[in-house]
Order: sequence, then structure tokens, then C-alpha cells
Amino acid sequence: EAQVTQNPRYLITVTGKKLTVTCSQNMNHEYMSWYRQDPGLGLRQIYYSMNVEVTDKGDVPEGYKVSRKEKRNFPLILESPSPNQTSLYFCASSLSWAGGQAFFGQGTRLTVV
Amino acid sequence: AQKVTQAQTEISVVEKEDVTLDCVYETRDTTYYLFWYKQPPSGELVFLIRRNSFDEQNEISGRYSWNFQKSTSSFNFTITASQVVDSAVYFCALSGVEYGNKLVFGAGTILRVKS
Repeated sequence: EAQVTQNPRYLITVTGKKLTVTCSQNMNHEYMSWYRQDPGLGLRQIYYSMNVEVTDKGDVPEGYKVSRKEKRNFPLILESPSPNQTSLYFCASSLSWAGGQAFFGQGTRLTVV
Repeated sequence: AQKVTQAQTEISVVEKEDVTLDCVYETRDTTYYLFWYKQPPSGELVFLIRRNSFDEQNEISGRYSWNFQKSTSSFNFTITASQVVDSAVYFCALSGVEYGNKLVFGAGTILRVKS
């Protein structure tokens, strides 16, 4: 089954404690990205990757890091989480970067206290 | 700049009513794509439709229909004979070459369908 898998689904952590949210897709997609969803703001892109070892900032990259060492995986790293990073996070992948349908993971609800 | 406006923050209807969710977009691209996603209470994002800027034909899929009008930069979504299971947050999104093809989302419209 074609899917994007994120882990964990829920996470409560403390300020400053490094964490990683994993994302894996099984569709051999080149384009992957991370979004955060906040009330009244919709989803905003954090980082994206057009292929292995190619990543770039989205609209709200501050406080986040990503890596793309393999095509299927695109982890999101919060080196020193802060309460304003409490949000619902989605990983997405698409076959191409030009208007392709994005497949989304199930979402990760992160709370930073 | 790209921007997607969903002016309706929340809509409540009674089952079997028709409901239209509005989406107005702004872009300088001539080639772009428009999307609708549904987010049910369980939280996942469900793809509903993708439309490219060169295809202005309206589309119908069961009880769902979409009206794309380039002249007014709108891509509205209508649910006919709404059902309780249609209760969700609906997002309209835009993707274009100029800004790296990321999905630019509207703020979403909460649809509540009451029985």
C-alpha cells in the first residue's frame, strides 16, 4: 500500500530536549516536505527536499533541521524545541515537484512544555 | 505572492443541505495547480482533487463538485446533500513554479453537518 509513515503520532517533550520525527515513504517519490499546521494559519511548509542530499528552507524553517540521506526517509529534527513549536506536523511526498499530488503522513502532534 | 483565502472560517448545515466552500487564490504564475484536501476529526489529510490552471472544466465526483473560474481566481467546492460524515476541516491549496512548487494552503473551513 502506498503510504507516508510518520513516527511518533503523539509526543510531549520538554523545552530544549532534542527530538526527531521520522518520515518514510514507499512510493519512490523524489519530492518530500514538512508542514506544520496551526489554528487559523492552515499548513505552512517548513523544509522540502527535491531529491537525496538536496534540501531547502520553506516558509517557517527557524528551529528545525532536516536531512535526506536516502530517498525514502526525510526526518525532521528539533535540536532545542521551544513551546512555540507545539503544533501538528505533517510529512508529505509527491512524485515530482511540479504540481504533483502530495501524499501526507498521518500527522505528529507535538507538545513542548 | 501566492495566497489562498478561505473566507468561511466555519459553516454549519443540517444533513441533506447543499453547501459550498469558497476558495479564492492569488498568483502571478500562468501554470499552477489547485487542490482540495479534507481533514476529518481523526486528523489525517485526505486528497480530494487536483486541477491545473489550463483545465477550467468543472468536475463532479459523486456528491462533490468543483467550480474553477480563472476569471475570478476561484476554485469553489460544493457538497450536495451533505452527510454527517462530511464534517471535517477542508483546505484549499495552490502550487506554482514561481515559489518552488510548495503547497500554499488556505486557513481551512470547518464544516459541521448536523443530523
